[in-house]
Amino acid sequence: DGGITQSPKYLFRKEGQNVTLSCEQNLNHDAMYWYRQDPGQGLRLIYYSQIVNDFQKGDIAEGYSVSREKKESFPLTVTSAQKNPTAFYLCASSPVEANYGYTFGSGTRLTVV
Amino acid sequence: GQQLNQSPQSMFIQEGEDVSMNCTSSSIFNTWLWYKQDPGEGPVLLIALYKAGELTSNGRLTAQFGITRKDSFLNISASIPSDVGIYFCAGQYFGNEKLTFGTGTRLTIIP
Repeated sequence: DGGITQSPKYLFRKEGQNVTLSCEQNLNHDAMYWYRQDPGQGLRLIYYSQIVNDFQKGDIAEGYSVSREKKESFPLTVTSAQKNPTAFYLCASSPVEANYGYTFGSGTRLTVV
Repeated sequence: GQQLNQSPQSMFIQEGEDVSMNCTSSSIFNTWLWYKQDPGEGPVLLIALYKAGELTSNGRLTAQFGITRKDSFLNISASIPSDVGIYFCAGQYFGNEKLTFGTGTRLTIIP
């Protein structure tokens, strides 16, 4: 079955460490997105990519980095420069023409300890 | 970035009640989408709307694309416990533009 997989589901990080969240899709979608969700809040766009080897900053890119070396994969690195990294992170994908909507992964909950 | 205004922000209802929520924008859209997010999971697409005035149903859910193209509405009839979650609207103007998401409506069912 086609879908989008995020791993791990839960992640714990010590302060000052970088951590990478995985996102893989086998839907043959060109576009991929990373969102952050804080408790009781909506979705805030971190980064997005519409084609391999190209990506753009979203609304809250500071302290995050991404790469898009393969169409299927769009990993997100939360760096030590991100001051409040504890959150729920969602990855999504879509065709470039996204009017049929995004397909979301099941999320990764990152906790800084 | 812009976020669409959803109302109400949260709802506390009893099982069996009907639910209405809406989403408004300062810009017009050509596509409106409604998603549901279960606790601890990613949002799942419920309904997609592509034409002003369009009314579309998916089981107990009915959504409408506002005639001004600046709003959309979602109704849930005869709510059941599994309806609990956060409902997000999303709009899009052009086909290759990113979606703009609403702020979400949290639905809670009181025993």
